[in-house]
Amino acid sequence: DAKTTQPTSMDCAEGRAANLPCNHSTISGNEYVYWYRQIHSQGPQYIIHGLKNNETNEMASLIITEDRKSSTLILPHATLRDTAVYYCIVRVYSGGGADGLTFGKGTHLIIQP
Amino acid sequence: DAGVIQSPRHEVTEMGQEVTLRCKPISGHDYLFWYRQTMMRGLELLIYFNNNVPIDDSGMPEDRFSAKMPNASFSTLKIQPSEPRDSAVYFCASSTQGGLITDTQYFGPGTRLTVL
Repeated sequence: DAKTTQPTSMDCAEGRAANLPCNHSTISGNEYVYWYRQIHSQGPQYIIHGLKNNETNEMASLIITEDRKSSTLILPHATLRDTAVYYCIVRVYSGGGADGLTFGKGTHLIIQP
Repeated sequence: DAGVIQSPRHEVTEMGQEVTLRCKPISGHDYLFWYRQTMMRGLELLIYFNNNVPIDDSGMPEDRFSAKMPNASFSTLKIQPSEPRDSAVYFCASSTQGGLITDTQYFGPGTRLTVL
């Protein structure tokens, strides 16, 4: 799986959009971008994933650059409950079976009141 | 749905004792994963099963660790004998290949293990 680079930490004001960047310059054509987050003392939680098109769900939006070498997770209206470590994971999904997730160090997002 | 259930939530034991962690995956999920999280190493995959069969145990640190999945609704991770360096939070996760959101893993709340 391709390696990812994320900032160690970020701050965002409550109610504002939180934009979390991820670099994955060695991504392959069949690798998806996944985002998970881990709120303190809880298990990781799936947020969103995409291949090359931008994606949106009830939690967040995922913007993937045209060359797919980087992406941004957007939390449109951050709340204090969004304070967590956010993991960007790039991995192959072949449809033939699942495998484990490789977590990096992630970005510690702190939402300020 | 109750989600992934893990027990116990906290375990404190002494070095040399046997420890058994338990996991109940989400009903209908055919993949089960065991992860370990420490400050030093972060989140790392230990082993995973598909349809109760171990697929990849390359992350299991050593022979003191063993995992079983006797049926689709139950898995155990055993450490015998335990050592202080095994202290960590152990997460279980499950997923299914069905549906459009394929391969999304759902994590349990974790078991915090402390070995004295």
